[in-house]
Parts: sequence; C-alpha cells; structure tokens
Amino acid sequence: DAGVTQSPTHLIKTRGQQVTLRCSPKSGHDTVSWYQQALGQGPQFIFQYYEEEERQRGNFPDRFSGHQFPNYSSELNVNALLLGDSALYLCASSLKGGNTIYFGEGSWLTVV
Amino acid sequence: QKEVEQNSGPLSVPEGAIASLNCTYSDRGSQSFFWYRQYSGKSPELIMFIYSNGDKEDGRFTAQLNKASQYVSLLIRDSQPSDSATYLCAVNSISGTYKYIFGTGTRLKVLA
Repeated sequence: DAGVTQSPTHLIKTRGQQVTLRCSPKSGHDTVSWYQQALGQGPQFIFQYYEEEERQRGNFPDRFSGHQFPNYSSELNVNALLLGDSALYLCASSLKGGNTIYFGEGSWLTVV
Repeated sequence: QKEVEQNSGPLSVPEGAIASLNCTYSDRGSQSFFWYRQYSGKSPELIMFIYSNGDKEDGRFTAQLNKASQYVSLLIRDSQPSDSATYLCAVNSISGTYKYIFGTGTRLKVLA
C-alpha cells in the first residue's frame, strides 16, 4: 500500500526565487492538505484541496498557491521566496469526510 | 492564548516507566484529537486518535480525553529508548473545517 510520497526531499533556493513541491496521496485518498513546519514548531496548515479546488486556506499569504490534479496528486508553489520560508513542507492525505490525515516524508526547503 | 498548548520538555523518563504527555486546547468546539510522533528529521507519524471523553487504549499507548477540562493526554507504558521523539498533539476544530491545529510538541527522552 503506497503511502504519501513527496518530492523533492531536500532543496535549496535563493531569496526571491520560486519553488514547486509535489505530492502523491496515499492510495485511495482523494484529499490533500499542505502544512509548513518551521524548526521547533508544530505544523501550520497552509491549505487543503479536494476535487481540484482549494477547500480551505490557513493564514498564509498569496505567495503560497496550490493545485490538485485529476489523479488527486497536488503541487504547492511558493513565489518570491523569503528566508522565513525555510521549513519542512508536509503533504498530508485523507479521504473526503475522513477525519484522519497521514503525512508524507516532507520536503525540506532552505532559502538562502 | 495558544490554541493548542503543550509543554516543550524535554520530559525524561527511565526505561520501563510510564511517560505522561499532556495537551490543552482553547476551542470548546473541538471534536477530534490526535497524537503524532515525530523523530528528529522525520515527518509526523500518527499514533492514535480519540473523539469521545474517556480513555482509548492501543497497545502500550493510552489516550485520555476530558472535554470539560479541554485536556487530552497520552500515556506510554513500558517506555523504551525507541520512544524518544517529539510528540505532537493535534486538534480538529469545529465541524466543517478541515485543518488540524498542532501544538509545538513535547520532546520525550527515555533513558536506558
């Protein structure tokens, strides 16, 4: 049973650049959420996608955008990167109406 | 007041002892409660969830929920060095929202 997969696992970007992170949900899941986890903090909700639409959004600026594809996979895009965007970006999948989310291994983003 | 609060620790317990991890939350409308374990440099892994007041046991783990006191805890019996990790408490708030709110986590150290 394939779990949640994310790519890339690590990447380094320069301030002002743009980044795209990718996620494939757990087999059978149709809902994808993205979280940001800064060092020493708990994960913070960015947004959730279902049926290719953003269903709910957390307190993140418009520089953070996403997309969900018909096969339920998802992308997180961050524009105009800031040093403070350095964090572990976690994708989590779940079933519509299901209340339990399962995380992927995450993408470590360092902005220099 | 933070929405989900946890003592950051570290909580140190000897091998074989019971580790008790605590979490309080501010939103009385919260309905679902989750415990995740996160090893250093890794993504959070779901341990268990609880929805109703009382205790829920799963192997060496017991989750306890008291909605009147807005308090949820995790007991780990017969603690092992491999249990050393950060434990994150997460709350899914008012029905109809899809985001989890996480605490900052409690770092547990089990001493051999």
